[in-house]
Amino acid sequence: ETGVTQSPTHLIKTRGQQVTLRCSSQSGHNTVSWYQQALGQGPQFIFQYYREEENGRGNFPPRFSGLQFPNYSSELNVNALELDDSALYLCASSLYVESDTQYFGPGTRLTVL
Amino acid sequence: AQRVTQPEKLLSVFKGAPVELKCNYSYSGSPELFWYVQYSRQRLQLLLRHISRESIKGFTADLNKGETSFHLKKPFAQEEDSAMYYCALGMTGGGNKLTFGTGTQLKVEL
Repeated sequence: ETGVTQSPTHLIKTRGQQVTLRCSSQSGHNTVSWYQQALGQGPQFIFQYYREEENGRGNFPPRFSGLQFPNYSSELNVNALELDDSALYLCASSLYVESDTQYFGPGTRLTVL
Repeated sequence: AQRVTQPEKLLSVFKGAPVELKCNYSYSGSPELFWYVQYSRQRLQLLLRHISRESIKGFTADLNKGETSFHLKKPFAQEEDSAMYYCALGMTGGGNKLTFGTGTQLKVEL
């Protein structure tokens, strides 16, 4: 069984640029959630995707957007990057949308200069 | 608004000593609470959830609605328990949309 994978591992961008982060969910999992973890903080919920539709969103501006594909993999897009977007971005998948167990990926470290 | 508070950034105990990691929450509905753990160089993983009332690796946590707490306890700390521990609250309408606390680093010393 393959766990949750994320790419890239690290990324450096400059302010104003756009970035796309990718996540492959664990085999058979149809629900993907994205979290932002700033240094010294706990993960903060960005949004969740279930069967290619957004299924809940945290307190993040519209420049944070996402996609889920038919194979349940997902992308997180961030437009007009700001310095405060520098963080570890975590993807988590769960077997069902009702499941309370999530499996986290290793994260993508984004640095905005 | 939902909120999770973990008052200690770092907790240092000796091997064999009892451990208690504190977690308080703020939520108007019926809470779903979890403890997640991150060992060194590993990914975040679920340790336990209140609804299953299970004991994992000797850890237990009891939901106290009166005190709005979900403290994590273990009677005898082991060296392998050293890790970062996060308390998390399931959001309204979805137990897997989580509000995390800021985490407590547990260090078990020999």
